[in-house]
Amino acid sequence: RKEVEQDPGPFNVPEGATVAFNCTYSNSASQSFFWYRQDCRKEPKLLMSVYSSGNEDGRFTAQLNRASQYISLLIRDSKLSDSATYLCVVNPTYSSASKIIFGSGTRLSIRP
Amino acid sequence: DAGVIQSPRHEVTEMGQEVTLRCKPISGHNSLFWYRQTMMRGLELLIYFNNNVPIDDSGMPEDRFSAKMPNASFSTLKIQPSEPRDSAVYFCASRRDRPNTEAFFGQGTRLTVV
Repeated sequence: RKEVEQDPGPFNVPEGATVAFNCTYSNSASQSFFWYRQDCRKEPKLLMSVYSSGNEDGRFTAQLNRASQYISLLIRDSKLSDSATYLCVVNPTYSSASKIIFGSGTRLSIRP
Repeated sequence: DAGVIQSPRHEVTEMGQEVTLRCKPISGHNSLFWYRQTMMRGLELLIYFNNNVPIDDSGMPEDRFSAKMPNASFSTLKIQPSEPRDSAVYFCASRRDRPNTEAFFGQGTRLTVV
């Protein structure tokens, strides 16, 4: 089983729609979680961290479910500019000096 | 801060040649990561360093790949000899050792082995 798994998509949704992605992780001791965004032919960049209590940043909401070992990203009122690949990221140990594992990414395409 | 700097941005080389990719992490960052990205396999962690020491190289595909970090401001990833299946985008990333801190990526090196 992969350490971090995502639905690759693509998700093709109309502008203004709400879309949600899930990501599962295998190591129950994982401590830090993030969502990154990657545009075509660019490097991944941090979208938002995922906190235990869940967090929101404008149209974006991230949730963590430790019992089921998954994190989610919800995008409301989607814009054309949200089209990108969204990468789920997990720090699988408590040590701050540890590796960071990326999911394979979920491709999102917003159509006019 | 200039961010993570990688060079070259693009590299085209013939099969069998040696390829060296370079990375300068963000000043003050303790951890450095090398990733490879392809359409088929996504973003794979090859190796990571902490305080210039290699911690986990289990992702290095084979002996043709080697990585060094001689000091806190420089790392190299070398492929010798290169093969067409090594064609990919290679990213370097760095982060500061604090809980819940993110990694910052360089712009990547697009490698094509013909």
